[in-house]
Amino acid sequence: AQKITQTQPGMFVQEKEAVTLDCTYDTSDPSYGLFWYKQPSSGEMIFLIYQGSYDQQNATEGRYSLNFQKARKSANLVISASQLGDSAMYFCAMRDPQNSGGSNYKLTFGKGTLLTVNP
Amino acid sequence: DTAVSQTPKYLVTQMGNDKSIKCEQNLGHDTMYWYKQDSKKFLKIMFSYNNKELIINETVPNRFSPKSPDKAHLNLHINSLELGDSAVYFCASSLLRGSTDTQYFGPGTRLTVL
Repeated sequence: AQKITQTQPGMFVQEKEAVTLDCTYDTSDPSYGLFWYKQPSSGEMIFLIYQGSYDQQNATEGRYSLNFQKARKSANLVISASQLGDSAMYFCAMRDPQNSGGSNYKLTFGKGTLLTVNP
Repeated sequence: DTAVSQTPKYLVTQMGNDKSIKCEQNLGHDTMYWYKQDSKKFLKIMFSYNNKELIINETVPNRFSPKSPDKAHLNLHINSLELGDSAVYFCASSLLRGSTDTQYFGPGTRLTVL
């Protein structure tokens, strides 16, 4: 069973508009962490934002915010005021002991969403 | 200041050869990882090391052998390379006792097996 689901293979957004990238996850462990990474065409993996399962507030980092809905098991990434440089592949990932043999030693990734920002 | 570095960035080799990829982190982290990204961009964990100790070996063929000489280095040696080994290999590191245990990735090594 897929643990991290990103249902949008591709998304388009106009420059300066906001965009939401979807991510749902599956775990029965109460303690887990959710991450978003950006992979531009140059190939590196860039950490964007983190949300812990016990965090009371949604995480924010500059133009990035995470819409964390625990009951729905969703952790959508919101990018405000899109820029051309935001065009990239975006990966949602989860760290949870249930999928790591009881440890916290790996991330499970979704298949990614390719975001294209149009001028 | 490079946080997680990998060498080489590109590796092109013939089937059957043996090759190594090196990884170093200067973040003071205690845990290092190898991930494989296939042609469809899917990322999957291969190995995790904590304080030089192998923690996760995610059903990777024996031809892949990681080695961690110290906490700052995690190298990946691949024997008898096969066509299916062609992929991008990412090293990452994290501080397990940190508040978020965020994993920071190296730039990746694109391996092409001919």
